[in-house]
Amino acid sequence: KQEVTQIPAALSVPEGENLVLNCSFTDSAIYNLQWFRQDPGKGLTSLLLIQSSQREQTSGRLNASLDKSSGRSTLYIAASQPGDSATYLCAVKGGSEKLVFGKGTKLTVNP
Amino acid sequence: DTGVSQNPRHKITKRGQNVTFRCDPISEHNRLYWYRQTLGQGPEFLTYFQNEAQLEKSRLLSDRFSAERPKGSFSTLEIQRTEQGDSAMYLCASSTWTSSYNSPLHFGNGTRLTVT
Repeated sequence: KQEVTQIPAALSVPEGENLVLNCSFTDSAIYNLQWFRQDPGKGLTSLLLIQSSQREQTSGRLNASLDKSSGRSTLYIAASQPGDSATYLCAVKGGSEKLVFGKGTKLTVNP
Repeated sequence: DTGVSQNPRHKITKRGQNVTFRCDPISEHNRLYWYRQTLGQGPEFLTYFQNEAQLEKSRLLSDRFSAERPKGSFSTLEIQRTEQGDSAMYLCASSTWTSSYNSPLHFGNGTRLTVT
């Protein structure tokens, strides 16, 4: 059974800092991995999708990497801003169509 | 692109009552998913449709839960004889799937159910 773990559970940083969020998964036989952002009381916004054959994806100040063999992904956020404050969720897709999510990392960026 | 729309946003019901939620996906998306999220947890998969066909159901989807997507457009999720443990955020998502392309999932803002 696939399990996804995200560390840390919460993170508080000053504005402008570069930061890394971690995601690990137990079964390396994945089809893809997605990073999402969730604001309080809202749905999820897709940030980056990495196919199993890819090593990384970039979008603006965000960069996500994937090391399938070790079961790890990182989300790098450059020059963090208060508007980046949200919960970041990692999810993997295996043999079925369902995504298996971690519990998320709650990020607070302080002005 | 108006995004995925879910109604109602909030629903408070008494234990034992039936409730129905509606999801309107992005119009050109052929796949529609239902997830459930409780406080402090990541979303958990419930079921998904490709067009009008329900192709996969989680074991979380007990006999009290039923989902439909009658014309391959909007979907409804019904919970019969609600229990307090059904209290959660119910999220709908949609995507485009072809044999050569899988788009990211686009989520709605969810329906928050409270069972008293």
